[in-house]
Amino acid sequence: ETGVTQTPRHLVMGMTNKKSLKCEQHLGHNAMYWYKQSAKKPLELMFVYNFKEQTENNSVPSRFSPECPNSSHLFLHLHTLQPEDSALYLCASSQPNREGNIQYFGAGTRLSVL
Amino acid sequence: EDQVTQSPEALRLQEGESSSLNCSYTVSGLRGLFWYRQDPGKGPEFLFTLYSAGEEKEKERLKATLTKKESFLHITAPKPEDSATYLCAVQLNQAGTALIFGKGTTLSVSS
Repeated sequence: ETGVTQTPRHLVMGMTNKKSLKCEQHLGHNAMYWYKQSAKKPLELMFVYNFKEQTENNSVPSRFSPECPNSSHLFLHLHTLQPEDSALYLCASSQPNREGNIQYFGAGTRLSVL
Repeated sequence: EDQVTQSPEALRLQEGESSSLNCSYTVSGLRGLFWYRQDPGKGPEFLFTLYSAGEEKEKERLKATLTKKESFLHITAPKPEDSATYLCAVQLNQAGTALIFGKGTTLSVSS
């Protein structure tokens, strides 16, 4: 099993659909993250969870709804998205300690909103 | 405002032609600086963490260095398989676990 697994790898959805992205980490980490990566832009942090509790919401629109049922799983529920939400959505996990916070990423879900 | 700037945006090298990528940062307090490599269609892969000015780390043909204002990723005698986008990120003292990323440098190495 790879460290951080994301499904699906590709997703095409209409603006009125509801879908979910899934992330699972096998590294025993306590923190999980959702990032959005658009062309020509830096990775944008969306949400942070520590020990299943949301600790950061980076002003993300309510059409994105995260869920973290346990420290190994993270979901991103999507509804009534806009075409500008098309991007690569990356999940990461880490075990923050005194030395820092090395984040390990999944391969991402390429989302296209029609 | 905390900011990370990478340059150049794109770099084309011949195989064996050494060069450096730059990551400059303007932050209120640096806890650590991270370098990642990202291949097309994949997530970022961790390369190095640097914590204090003067620190250096090496891995194969890559060497990362850190000063109080910037970091360099030196690539010595690159090969085509080094072609990728290289991302720099900083962790702030006050920001908990969050990382701030630069836009990246896309490196192309031709044989």
